[in-house]
Amino acid sequence: DTGVSQNPRHKITKRGQNVTFRCDPISEHNRLYWYRQTLGQGPEFLTYFQNEAQLEKSRLLSDRFSAERPKGSFSTLEIQRTEQGDSAMYLCASSRQPSGKTDTQYFGPGTRLTVL
Amino acid sequence: AQSVTQLGSHVSVSEGALVLLRCNYSSSVPPYLFWYVQYPNQGLQLLLKYTTGATLVKGINGFEAEFKKSETSFHLTKPSAHMSDAAEYFCAVTPNSGYSTLTFGKGTMLLVSP
Repeated sequence: DTGVSQNPRHKITKRGQNVTFRCDPISEHNRLYWYRQTLGQGPEFLTYFQNEAQLEKSRLLSDRFSAERPKGSFSTLEIQRTEQGDSAMYLCASSRQPSGKTDTQYFGPGTRLTVL
Repeated sequence: AQSVTQLGSHVSVSEGALVLLRCNYSSSVPPYLFWYVQYPNQGLQLLLKYTTGATLVKGINGFEAEFKKSETSFHLTKPSAHMSDAAEYFCAVTPNSGYSTLTFGKGTMLLVSP
């Protein structure tokens, strides 16, 4: 396994711009998760996919946020019209989930977003 | 709804001393429990997890944790701290029902002095 990778590692943008992050999970992991971590806090769940299906979205995921996993492999998280409050570390995790069981999530290094 | 409380946003120990990081959870059913470690500007690395079976769980880097249902606790310990243990530690829970989204505590920063 090469681990979960995320790109870019850092993104600085101006308020109002759109940004897109990419996550490549561990190969053959069917579940993929997005979390957001702000300074001094633990990660907070945003959304997750089982294969290409987006199964749950947190209320934290406003309509400016959209996530996709078109072929059940990599995923993208887009934030439109960024706000300063969007500044955070965006973490991606993946797991191999047999039906009805909880498996271990492996995290990527994160993308740190700074909105000026 | 589940929640996790980590007592102490910062814990300071001397190198060689016992490390004790506290985690209490709130859940209607016994959950699955995890400890993750995060080094600066990096993602989270799994230290150990409890799902079922033995309540004393051993993890990487000499850490262990004990699940105590009666106390709704899952405290993390290490007998002897090393400078390389300095990092932020997160306790997390998920229901043991196949729903695997993690709920994290706010984290505890472990500081190790020589």
